[in-house]
Amino acid sequence: SQTIHQWPATLVQPVGSPLSLECTVEGTSNPNLYWYRQAAGRGLQLLFYSVGIGQISSEVPQNLSASRPQDRQFILSSKKLLLSDSGFYLCAWGDLRAPRETQYFGPGTRLLVL
Amino acid sequence: RKEVEQDPGPFNVPEGATVAFNCTYSNSASQSFFWYRQDCRKEPKLLMSVYSSGNEDGRFTAQLNRASQYISLLIRDSKLSDSATYLCVVNHYGGSQGNLIFGKGTKLSVKP
Repeated sequence: SQTIHQWPATLVQPVGSPLSLECTVEGTSNPNLYWYRQAAGRGLQLLFYSVGIGQISSEVPQNLSASRPQDRQFILSSKKLLLSDSGFYLCAWGDLRAPRETQYFGPGTRLLVL
Repeated sequence: RKEVEQDPGPFNVPEGATVAFNCTYSNSASQSFFWYRQDCRKEPKLLMSVYSSGNEDGRFTAQLNRASQYISLLIRDSKLSDSATYLCVVNHYGGSQGNLIFGKGTKLSVKP
């Protein structure tokens, strides 16, 4: 069965510090991968998606970036965090075997920027 | 117009009640529709996909009205464990592309 991991679970970082969040998927190959952010009281916002190694599409311009160095690894980064980067960051993988792609989420990383 | 719109609730219902959630979407080209459930401070989990003909999974029934761009979720015989936020989800570009747009969710609280 497929499993998606994210770490760390929670993170408190000062403004201006760098960020690296990691997501890995097990039990599937060549998945579509996604980074979402859920800010307090708001819906999930798609940040990046990737259909393969080295292929990244950005949905929202911001000070975040993403990379996919391996098939089942997706990394979210920032060189300098802003207060507005606080939120719940969720990684998801897309199951393409279904008639239409279905997405499954990892446990998320709760980020607080102070 | 918001892309996916839901009544935020909260819906406070007694155990055993039937509750219905509604959702409207703005992109007429959307092809994929889902309901997710999100418990407090947890990740969203897929509850069910929504098919054109409507579909049922136990106590849960989902309906799609493409003409009105409207999706519904019916929960029968509510349980305490049904308390959560229910997210209406629609794909953004149509076809099978998996870029999903999430509603802000409807909060359900089932009371004893």
